[in-house]
Amino acid sequence: GAVVSQHPSWVICKSGTSVKIECRSLDFQATTMFWYRQFPKQSLMLMATSNEGSKATYEQGVEKDKFLINHASLTLSTLTVTSAHPEDSSFYICSARDHPAGGTEAFFGQGTRLTVV
Amino acid sequence: AQKITQTQPGMFVQEKEAVTLDCTYDTSDQSYGLFWYKQPSSGEMIFLIYQGSYDEQNATEGRYSLNFQKARKSANLVISASQLGDSAMYFCAMREDNDYKLSFGAGTTVTVRA
Repeated sequence: GAVVSQHPSWVICKSGTSVKIECRSLDFQATTMFWYRQFPKQSLMLMATSNEGSKATYEQGVEKDKFLINHASLTLSTLTVTSAHPEDSSFYICSARDHPAGGTEAFFGQGTRLTVV
Repeated sequence: AQKITQTQPGMFVQEKEAVTLDCTYDTSDQSYGLFWYKQPSSGEMIFLIYQGSYDEQNATEGRYSLNFQKARKSANLVISASQLGDSAMYFCAMREDNDYKLSFGAGTTVTVRA
């Protein structure tokens, strides 16, 4: 299957700083990528849909000024958590589809564990 | 409204036995897709199996099979011959074809006992 690489796999940052997480499709072009957030032992909650060359679409309740998404190329989307606070500590994971080439499944990155101290 | 419902927060299964994970869904679309993913403690999401709403036969992938009952809007996952490595959290998800986003259920934690 297609490969999605997410970096870093874990990060610890100080409160008030910003953290950038990268999501790359390694062997296909992803016009659309998705960013999810997951708290321990809970489900994945969609944060936003990242579209190459246009603004991201955020889900209700997600602060777009806090979670900046950039999808500058067909293989890279980035999520920047700005002015991070301890409550932003979570597992963030991206996914992509090899659309429009087809395929039914979404391919996920390895996820990023963010800890804000 | 919740689109995917997984009512079993946790399950124990004996090694080599089969286990069924329940999933019901809610959609008004005629065309949709149903997925099961496995998430071990490492956090990665591993795709297991897919069922399209128009597929007449139940999907199977190795030891995984999906019991698709469209009228009941259920898509249960059956894992046969459980192995210790099957211990993980399992998520049911749905994609409605007018929207490529996935909606996930709450997940079921499976623990396989030796």
